[in-house]
Amino acid sequence: AQSVTQLDSQVPVFEEAPVELRCNYSSSVSVYLFWYVQYPNQGLQLLLKYLSGSTLVKGINGFEAEFNKSQTSFHLRKPSVHISDTAEYFCAVKIQGAQKLVFGQGTRLTINP
Amino acid sequence: DAGVIQSPRHEVTEMGQEVTLRCKPISGHNSLFWYRQTMMRGLELLIYFNNNVPIDDSGMPEDRFSAKMPNASFSTLKIQPSEPRDSAVYFCASSLGWKETQYFGPGTRLLVL
Repeated sequence: AQSVTQLDSQVPVFEEAPVELRCNYSSSVSVYLFWYVQYPNQGLQLLLKYLSGSTLVKGINGFEAEFNKSQTSFHLRKPSVHISDTAEYFCAVKIQGAQKLVFGQGTRLTINP
Repeated sequence: DAGVIQSPRHEVTEMGQEVTLRCKPISGHNSLFWYRQTMMRGLELLIYFNNNVPIDDSGMPEDRFSAKMPNASFSTLKIQPSEPRDSAVYFCASSLGWKETQYFGPGTRLLVL
């Protein structure tokens, strides 16, 4: 069965600093990878997804992620964060051909002024 | 489109009472998912439907939980009888096909006293 590990439960950064949220997955078959964001008291919103093709995926709000098959990673990055990026970020994996999404435990991103 | 609609947004009930959560997926989507989010266990998939048919209910915690999808535009998740440990945020999500993005509703915050 596939699994997702988000290595940091909390990441504090200063405004305008770069950030990387780490995600590693485990699967014996090919997968699709996703990053979702959850703002306080709201549902999850898709940031970006990797299905195939270029390993560098660009998403909304200036975020991007790079799929690294050899390291089974899908880390999320943003070169300069804003206060409005304060939220919880979830990495998720889906086996190709299946519908079930498996989520990581989430990383709480806190932006300090 | 209005997105995935869930009701109620908040529910407070007493232990032993029946609770019914409702979801209206995005029009045209043929897959519907129920998730539960808690601090301890993170995001868990409870059950999902494809073309109104339950496909995988292995995440349903116990017999007190049941879900139905009588038509393509409506689903319910019922807990009877409810217990304090059922307190959580319950999300509904829908997608168009297995490869496509899951769109989440705003969630129902359930508190069982």
